[in-house]
Amino acid sequence: GIQVEQSPPDLILQEGANSTLRCNFSDSVNNLQWFHQNPWGQLINLFYIPSGTKQNGRLSATTVATERYSLLYISSSQTTDSGVYFCAVVPGNTGKLIFGQGTTLQVKP
Amino acid sequence: KAGVTQTPRYLIKTRGQQVTLSCSPISGHRSVSWYQQTPGQGLQFLFEYFSETQRNKGNFPGRFSGRQFSNSRSEMNVSTLELGDSALYLCASSLTGTGENEQFFGPGTRLTVL
Repeated sequence: GIQVEQSPPDLILQEGANSTLRCNFSDSVNNLQWFHQNPWGQLINLFYIPSGTKQNGRLSATTVATERYSLLYISSSQTTDSGVYFCAVVPGNTGKLIFGQGTTLQVKP
Repeated sequence: KAGVTQTPRYLIKTRGQQVTLSCSPISGHRSVSWYQQTPGQGLQFLFEYFSETQRNKGNFPGRFSGRQFSNSRSEMNVSTLELGDSALYLCASSLTGTGENEQFFGPGTRLTVL
């Protein structure tokens, strides 16, 4: 089945720094989503981005479907950005999300 | 518009018991998917329901089952609980579940098996 790899696995930043999280996937996909998991476990939708570039405030994402990767950019990071970021893809037309292992981000004040 | 809701939020059971978790999707969404999250295995797909029919299933034993009602609410059941079933169970809803629609997650049910 399709493999989803996220890098780096862990990231520690000072408040105000910028960061780039990467998601590689091994086959073509119909859908790609980025999530932030809050301390209580809920997955918060960041982007639905099967291709192209989107921006939402300090966050932006780019998916290059032909090269099978997606990037999540976080600018001017804040302590509230801390948590685990997941990339998930949908292969084919199943609607089944395949998750990467996540990137754990810690932003220090 | 209300988000995805899950009940109960926390549950403690003992080995051998069974448990039923509930998920109410966003109004108008007809697809409900269930996922299990554990520290060792990460987030794994359990199954997906659409219009009261199971449309996709992950690689879990038959002890894990589910159903969907005519109002799109879904339940999942785990019978003969094992210690390894301790996990965060998340449900997600989408309009059609075909992959062309964004999926939205509920807050999860944290199950502890003693």
